[in-house]
Amino acid sequence: EVQLVQSGAEVKKPGESLKISCKGSGYSFTSYWIGWVRQMPGKGLEWMGIIYPGDSDTRYSPSFQGQVTISADKSISTAYLQWSSLKASDTAMYYCARPVYSSSPHAFDIWGQGTMVTVSS
Amino acid sequence: QSALTQPRSVSGSPGQSVTISCTGTSSDVGGYNYVSWYQQHPGKAPKLMIYDVSKRPSGVPDRFSGSKSGNTASLTISGLQAEDEADYYCCSYAGSYTLNVFGTGTKVTVL
Repeated sequence: EVQLVQSGAEVKKPGESLKISCKGSGYSFTSYWIGWVRQMPGKGLEWMGIIYPGDSDTRYSPSFQGQVTISADKSISTAYLQWSSLKASDTAMYYCARPVYSSSPHAFDIWGQGTMVTVSS
Repeated sequence: QSALTQPRSVSGSPGQSVTISCTGTSSDVGGYNYVSWYQQHPGKAPKLMIYDVSKRPSGVPDRFSGSKSGNTASLTISGLQAEDEADYYCCSYAGSYTLNVFGTGTKVTVL
């Protein structure tokens, strides 16, 4: 079964760092892009960026460039989303997703269960 | 890159049809045949319902259909059922710099 399993919920203080994960299984992890999506409480979906684990080609939505870092460790089939200094406004559910096509990251049919990040003093 | 514009809500009775619009620009919806639609129930991850404007993934009922004209894409749900009540988001590829952009989301209510 193709699946993405994300790390558990996090509660952090402003200014702290954080790295959440997304582990792929049941398919060739290095052959498909992995995307990250933010959903703030009660709000819509926002595209953050994508990574191709095969060669670590990484692209960010302009709104998130410089705000987060996306990475991957293909040896353990895991993608990451990290923050160096969290803000209260980073409080949200974060999803990772895999596209339908291995070569084209524009439609995503496999989704992780989501990781809730809460940033509060 | 601004979010694509969707109506805040649509509603219909069981068995009726509803259509959700998704309006963008020539840089996203109008420029590529890469529009997808996602269904999201409360507390759940999004589910892909339509991709490449009008293709349905395996397992998605054929009550769901997609189309596009110019800068506006549409999702139609025919024969509305209670389980279709959810939030729906369109998404379009917008080029290698902007990547993808989501719509504002539409709440579908089954009366």
